[in-house]
Amino acid sequence: QVQVVQSGAEVKKPGASVKVSCETSGYTFNHYYLHWVRQAPGQGLEWMGWINPDGGGTNYAPKFQDRVTMTVDTSITTAYMELRRLISDDSAVYYCARIHDSGWTLDPWGQGTLVTVSS
Amino acid sequence: QSALTQPASMSASPGQSITISCAGTNTDIGSYDLVSWHQLYPGKAPKLIIYEVDKRPSGISNRFSGSKSGNTASLTISGLRTEDEGDYYCFSFAGRPYLFGTGTRVTVL
Repeated sequence: QVQVVQSGAEVKKPGASVKVSCETSGYTFNHYYLHWVRQAPGQGLEWMGWINPDGGGTNYAPKFQDRVTMTVDTSITTAYMELRRLISDDSAVYYCARIHDSGWTLDPWGQGTLVTVSS
Repeated sequence: QSALTQPASMSASPGQSITISCAGTNTDIGSYDLVSWHQLYPGKAPKLIIYEVDKRPSGISNRFSGSKSGNTASLTISGLRTEDEGDYYCFSFAGRPYLFGTGTRVTVL
């Protein structure tokens, strides 16, 4: 079955970068966009952007446009999300989610990666 | 607009029904039938329970149903069970950027 497994928790200092990985299996990797979503403590879900594994095209939410880079390694069916110039407000659980078969929502999701930004 | 509007919390007794609203605009929810609902439990991967307004993925109980009227979508949980406790988020795949709702915590009394 389709699986989406993310890398483990990270602790970073303000100003640093973090790179979260999202390993997928059980489907044709190039056929489905991957999205990234985050949830800060006590806050709601926030859509960050998507990547098309077939060619690497991306679409980022304006809020993250200048700090985020989404990439894929098709040889290992893994996606990555790098966020730069971290601040404390970037402390959150970061989720990777595959586009649903319908093409119009997200499913399945990864289990989430906790990123803590602290000096 | 940074998020769709949901009630912060709702509660009901087992067996009762609740309806969670998700208010948007004519550029997101009102523009296409692309609203979905996701269930979140702490420490677990979010789970899709409704997509394209009223479609249920395989394996999702028919106690969950969705609808839309104008710029507002709704999720109804019928015959509430203790395992339905959790956070529920609507999501609009229309408009740019894509928007989630503010989230609703459901408590089963």
